[in-house]
Amino acid sequence: AQTVTQSQPEMSVQEAETVTLSCTYDTSESNYYLFWYKQPPSRQMILVIRQEAYKQQNATENRFSVNFQKAAKSFSLKISDSQLGDTAMYFCALKNNYGQNFVFGPGTRLSVLP
Amino acid sequence: EAGVAQSPRYKIIEKRQSVAFWCNPISGHATLYWYQQILGQGPKLLIQFQNNGVVDDSQLPKDRFSAERLKGVDSTLKIQPAKLEDSAVYLCASSFSGGRSPLHFGNGTRLTVT
Repeated sequence: AQTVTQSQPEMSVQEAETVTLSCTYDTSESNYYLFWYKQPPSRQMILVIRQEAYKQQNATENRFSVNFQKAAKSFSLKISDSQLGDTAMYFCALKNNYGQNFVFGPGTRLSVLP
Repeated sequence: EAGVAQSPRYKIIEKRQSVAFWCNPISGHATLYWYQQILGQGPKLLIQFQNNGVVDDSQLPKDRFSAERLKGVDSTLKIQPAKLEDSAVYLCASSFSGGRSPLHFGNGTRLTVT
């Protein structure tokens, strides 16, 4: 069975600072994909960043980057220059290539403070 | 491109009543998912369709929940009869087939069962 764990239920960061959200996962598959989604109070889930497990290079999208440690099964999200609009729930998700089911973690509530 | 459309946005019903949710995925997306998100938790998969066939409904409470995806496009999720513990946000998502394709979510329906 696939599982995703996010050990930080809540975090806060000052505006313009950097914050890292943790995610660990477990899967027996060798080919899989990892995602971070953001869910603001408006409720719509928005893709932040994705990583293919076969790629060693860490993905980057503007102020968002990941630290993917395949052996440790760790997939953390770093947000640089935090903005008030980054305030949201953040979910880590795992998708295997076969079946294509997404498994989500419990989420981390991030508050960006002015 | 138009996003995933869901309706209604909110629904309040009494226990033992029935309710139905509708979803129209992004054009061309073969895979459609229904997730249940209880307050403060990550989304939990209820059912996954590939075109109009069911791929995974292992977590769908089949004694009260049903879903269909006629013609491989729109989908309807029904609850009959509703219980208090069904109070949650019901998220519809769609994606292209293929490993790295992300989920695209609708705005969700917030269901309150009184």
